[in-house]
Amino acid sequence: GAGVSQTPSNKVTEKGKYVELRCDPISGHTALYWYRQSLGQGPEFLIYFQGTGAADDSGLPNDRFFAVRPEGSVSTLKIQRTERGDSAVYLCASSLAGQGEQFFGPGTRLTVL
Amino acid sequence: GQQLNQSPQSMFIQEGEDVSMNCTSSSIFNTWLWYKQDPGEGPVLLIALYKAGELTSNGRLTAQFGITRKDSFLNISASIPSDVGIYFCAGFISGNTPLVFGKGTRLSVIA
Repeated sequence: GAGVSQTPSNKVTEKGKYVELRCDPISGHTALYWYRQSLGQGPEFLIYFQGTGAADDSGLPNDRFFAVRPEGSVSTLKIQRTERGDSAVYLCASSLAGQGEQFFGPGTRLTVL
Repeated sequence: GQQLNQSPQSMFIQEGEDVSMNCTSSSIFNTWLWYKQDPGEGPVLLIALYKAGELTSNGRLTAQFGITRKDSFLNISASIPSDVGIYFCAGFISGNTPLVFGKGTRLSVIA
């Protein structure tokens, strides 16, 4: 389909491990956002890319979290030394440059044991 | 982080009833968005509002952008079972700033 896709849909890992979560935005959308959603909460902003560069990473909780978008399309969210508190659904969204309407992918449910 | 205040937190209604939920903020937003999220899925955009006082409809859904720019409401008319889900309001100042979300209103429809 033409929507935002995310892989994997589910990821179970052990405390201390490294994980990568992938987002493929809608074709032509230059803006890409990562959010984290905990149970019973709304999505919370992590990082925003305009093209290849991170325009705003103020939502990243600490330096264990990092994201890249090397070619301005697919993005990877990387979490080092995972902790149980990192367990959540990680959502990706994309939009046209400068436009407000963000379209979300189905999310990746991360469980850290 | 900053969140919008949504109310009510949950609603149980009979099929065919109208529904109203709202969202308030201590900050001014220049755009309000309403999303619906089903279990295991990402939020789906329902309505976008760009001007204070704007009233916009999408089928049985109607949303308004408050004139103070600090609130918005969503109405659903003649609810049906597939309206079940969590409704989120979201706002931002400009197209290049992150969305701020409410905690959601969980809607249950009793047939």
